[in-house]
Amino acid sequence: EIVLTQSPATLSLSPGERATLSCRASQSVNYYLAWYQQKPGQAPRLLIYDASNRATGIPARFSGSGSGTDFTLTISSLEPGDFAVYYCQQRSNWPPENTFGQGTRLEIK
Amino acid sequence: QVQLVESGGGVVQPGRSLRLSCAASGFTFSSYAIHWVRQAPGKGLEWVALISYDGSNKYYADSVKGRFTISRDNSENTLYLQMNSLRAEDTAVYYCTKDQRLYGGDSLYYFDYWGQGTLVTVSS
Repeated sequence: EIVLTQSPATLSLSPGERATLSCRASQSVNYYLAWYQQKPGQAPRLLIYDASNRATGIPARFSGSGSGTDFTLTISSLEPGDFAVYYCQQRSNWPPENTFGQGTRLEIK
Repeated sequence: QVQLVESGGGVVQPGRSLRLSCAASGFTFSSYAIHWVRQAPGKGLEWVALISYDGSNKYYADSVKGRFTISRDNSENTLYLQMNSLRAEDTAVYYCTKDQRLYGGDSLYYFDYWGQGTLVTVSS
């Protein structure tokens, strides 16, 4: 069973700064990893799939990288609407127990 | 545009049943697998169940296996989750989510559209 560990648990930054979020898998998931953004009171939104592909309508300031066990979501210049919780999700496991990481909260410093 | 609208949540006593619905529009419902994902208050996301595009394959998390049943009516563009023998730990917002892949449902993929969720509270 693959476990995803996200770090840090909380990241405090200011608008305009660069954010780097990490997701580590307990074993290789190839490039089968996605990132989601969830704002308070809202459903999650798909940002990145297959490690580095932006989903429809996602701004270019969001980028994903990595393969195997180590993945990164980078937000190049934070905007006020980017402060939210971010989850990674892998699609290598079957059945899909523990498909999500525990989340990283990105908060305004 | 793609829309998923859940309904049927509410407060229910432990051991009782509840049925959730998810009305889909804006895409060819019968061509996509659909999942239920839940989120307990203040917690992370937990995958619950999956039904393939044609309803032939169904999969469940161990935590709900034997108690929950996922189904779909492709003629009505609607997904269901029948929840029996509810427990306090089933308290969560339940989201229906669309599988990103066309004709999926035999393996895990990504969730490209989500409903707004419906809250289920199991309490005496």
